[in-house]
This record gives sequence, structure tokens and C-alpha cells, in this order.
Amino acid sequence: GAVVSQHPSRVICKSGTSVKIECRSLDFQATTMFWYRQFPKQSLMLMATSNEGSKATYEQGVEKDKFLINHASLTLSTLTVTSAHPEDSSFYICSARDSRALTEAFFGQGTRLTVV
Amino acid sequence: ELKVEQNPLFLSMQEGKNYTIYCNYSTTSDRLYWYRQDPGKSLESLFVLLSNGAVKQEGRLMASLDTKARLSTLHITAAVHDLSATYFCAVGTGNQFYFGTGTSLTVIP
Repeated sequence: GAVVSQHPSRVICKSGTSVKIECRSLDFQATTMFWYRQFPKQSLMLMATSNEGSKATYEQGVEKDKFLINHASLTLSTLTVTSAHPEDSSFYICSARDSRALTEAFFGQGTRLTVV
Repeated sequence: ELKVEQNPLFLSMQEGKNYTIYCNYSTTSDRLYWYRQDPGKSLESLFVLLSNGAVKQEGRLMASLDTKARLSTLHITAAVHDLSATYFCAVGTGNQFYFGTGTSLTVIP
């Protein structure tokens, strides 16, 4: 299947700093990418949907000024957690849809963010 | 808002036994997905079901879809320890995916 690479896999940062997470589709073009957040032993919560070249659509309750999403190319989307706080610690997962096969989505490896 | 419910949330079963995980969703959808997640890992795609009556099987797992009942099932046959993981269903509608609550499966030797 198609490969989605997410980086970094783990990151520890200090409160107040910003962290950028990258999501790349390696062998296909992804017009749409999704960002999820997962707390321990819970399901995935959709944070936002990003479309290449346009602004991301955020789910209700997700602060767009805190979670900045950029989808500047058909193979790269980034999530920046700004002014991170301990409550932002979580597992973040991206997924991407192949523009040629819209029925499937492929998931990155996830990023474990710990804010200290 | 589309709601996706799975049951059970937790399942402990002995090796060799059979069991079914259920996934109910609240509105019309044309795509249903099953994923596996191991601790600390991302999601592994198991099945994509695209039509009413679709049935897919891979090894000891079989998934089915009833769009009229808005129900999908994941059946486990003769469970083995390697199947221990969390299983999620997800419903696709338009451009969105909505995940179920997850079922944490533990297979006991």
C-alpha cells in the first residue's frame, strides 16, 4: 500500500515552545490530509482536514491559532503546535488520501509529543 | 454529527475461541474501514468495505457490512495471541473519516 511518513516519531519540548510535525506522502499525491489526536486508551479525534493550497478546516473545539496546519504541496502537510503546554501532550497521527483512490486513507506512524 | 459506536469496548478471550466485534453508525455512509492499532503504534489497515453485503476475509479475521442496518462486524475465528490489539472501525462520508470508540482485544493463552 501507499506510504505516509510522519516525523518526528517522538518529541519532548518545554512549555511555551513550538513543535512542528511533518507528514509526507512518499509515493502518491495527497490532495487531502487529516490530522488526528489520540489520548491514551481513547479513539482518534479528528482535529482538522487540510487541502493542498487552501486553508485547513478545523473541527469544533480545536484552536486554529494553536494548531497551525500548512499543506503547501501535494506531498507535505505540517502541524505546528504553538506555545505548547503539558495538556497538549498526546499522540498525533496524520493520514493522507491518494487523489487517484479516494476510498482509502493511509496513516503515518504517529508522533508522541510530551510537553514538560 | 455522525456517531460511530463499537462494542464491546474491552474483550478478553481465550485462544481458539470465536468472537464478533460490532460497529454501528448513525447516518448513511458508503465506506467502512477496519483498522488495527498496537500499543504506541499507528493504524494498520485491515479491511475496506464499500458496498452493502460486502464481506472480506484475511486469515482469522472476517469483516462484513450491512448498510441498511448501518452495521459492520469484525469476526474473529480461533483467536491467537498475536491478535491482541485495539481494533477501530471508521466510517467514511464525503471527505471525512469518523472513528469508532475502539475495542481493546486481549487473547489469553
